[in-house]
Amino acid sequence: DGGITQSPKYLFRKEGQNVTLSCEQNLNHDAMYWYRQDPGQGLRLIYYSQIVNDFQKGDIAEGYSVSREKKESFPLTVTSAQKNPTAFYLCASSPRVLISNTGELFFGEGSRLTVL
Amino acid sequence: SQQGEEDPQALSIQEGENATMNCSYKTSINNLQWYRQNSGRGLVHLILIRSNEREKHSGRLRVTLDTSKKSSSLLITASRAADTASYFCATDGVRGNTPLVFGKGTRLSVIA
Repeated sequence: DGGITQSPKYLFRKEGQNVTLSCEQNLNHDAMYWYRQDPGQGLRLIYYSQIVNDFQKGDIAEGYSVSREKKESFPLTVTSAQKNPTAFYLCASSPRVLISNTGELFFGEGSRLTVL
Repeated sequence: SQQGEEDPQALSIQEGENATMNCSYKTSINNLQWYRQNSGRGLVHLILIRSNEREKHSGRLRVTLDTSKKSSSLLITASRAADTASYFCATDGVRGNTPLVFGKGTRLSVIA
């Protein structure tokens, strides 16, 4: 089935550790995104990528890093510099970064990160 | 920055009633979309309305858009317990080539 797979679903981390969240899509989409969601809040954009080997910062990029070496994969690393990393992380993709003919985003099921 | 703001933050209704959620935004847009999120899950796209459209229907969903007031509403008719979820509006910038910006959502509870 076509879709977006995020792993792990749940992750626990000690303070000071870096962790990497995986996001893989087999939809042949050019654009991929990482959003963060805190309880009772909307989604805030961390990073997005329009094409392989290129990515842009979103509204809350500090303390996070990404790579886009393959079209299908867009992993997110939560570094120790992120002061409050406990959150629900959502990966999404779309055929292209939204231009005049905006399309929908397809989301994964999310990864819940808890810092102990 | 969050472009859209949903209202109310939470809504509780009986099964069979209609549910109306509103979204206001600040800057001009090309399109506005509505998404649904079940608890602890990813978001699912419901409907997209373009800036030159005023109303759109999809099954039990009805979306309106008033660009002069920078607002949109989502109506779910004859609600069911399975409609219990959070609903988010999302907008893109009129310049295009920018990712969607989401509001904080409305939590809908439909009581059987």
